[in-house]
Amino acid sequence: QVQLQQWGAGLLKPSETLSLTCAVYGGSFSGYYWTWIRQPPGKGLEWIGEINHSGSTNYNPSLKSRVAISVDTSKNQFSLQLSSVTAADTAVYYCARGRNGPTYYYMDVWGKGTTVTVSS
Amino acid sequence: DIQMTQSPSSLSASVGDRVTITCRASQSISSYLNWYQQKPGKAPKLLIFAASSLQSGVPSRFSDSGSGTDFTLTISSLQPEDFATYYCQQSYSTPYTFGQGTKLEIK
Repeated sequence: QVQLQQWGAGLLKPSETLSLTCAVYGGSFSGYYWTWIRQPPGKGLEWIGEINHSGSTNYNPSLKSRVAISVDTSKNQFSLQLSSVTAADTAVYYCARGRNGPTYYYMDVWGKGTTVTVSS
Repeated sequence: DIQMTQSPSSLSASVGDRVTITCRASQSISSYLNWYQQKPGKAPKLLIFAASSLQSGVPSRFSDSGSGTDFTLTISSLQPEDFATYYCQQSYSTPYTFGQGTKLEIK
């Protein structure tokens, strides 16, 4: 059974760079889109972006100037970097596996989430 | 971006009730609509994808109807474990967007 394990720094100061990594265990790394989603406290879900095993990315335009998602296929890992963070970036960050087909795309496996707080 | 609007934002119901949650897209998304359930402190869980396909392991009391811009999640007979927040999500085009959520509470 596929599992996603994520980690990274949980407390940042404004202007620092958020860095999170997600490791994929128990399944294939190729053929999927590896995704980051975030959820501010008490609010809804926001899609940040995705990457496939070849390194092709899609980003949310609202974050595109600050976000970078990378992949390390040798370790079955993918990472998120978000630069110049502010308090508005305080959220639980989730990694997830995206599956696509001719008539669908969905995220079926999720990490447990990492709480990131931005505070001076 | 495609805007997703759910209604109601919150809902009180009893065990055994039939409940419906609606989701409207700001433009046609064909059947590229997914539903997730989230419990406090937990990651979202996929319930339904492609507007009508039940994810493996999800009870058959969950169902969806709709296509284009209007979709409805139905829970035929509420169970205690169903009290949670539900999100719709469009996967028609990036950036993929979610509804604001519907919190289902025990009456």
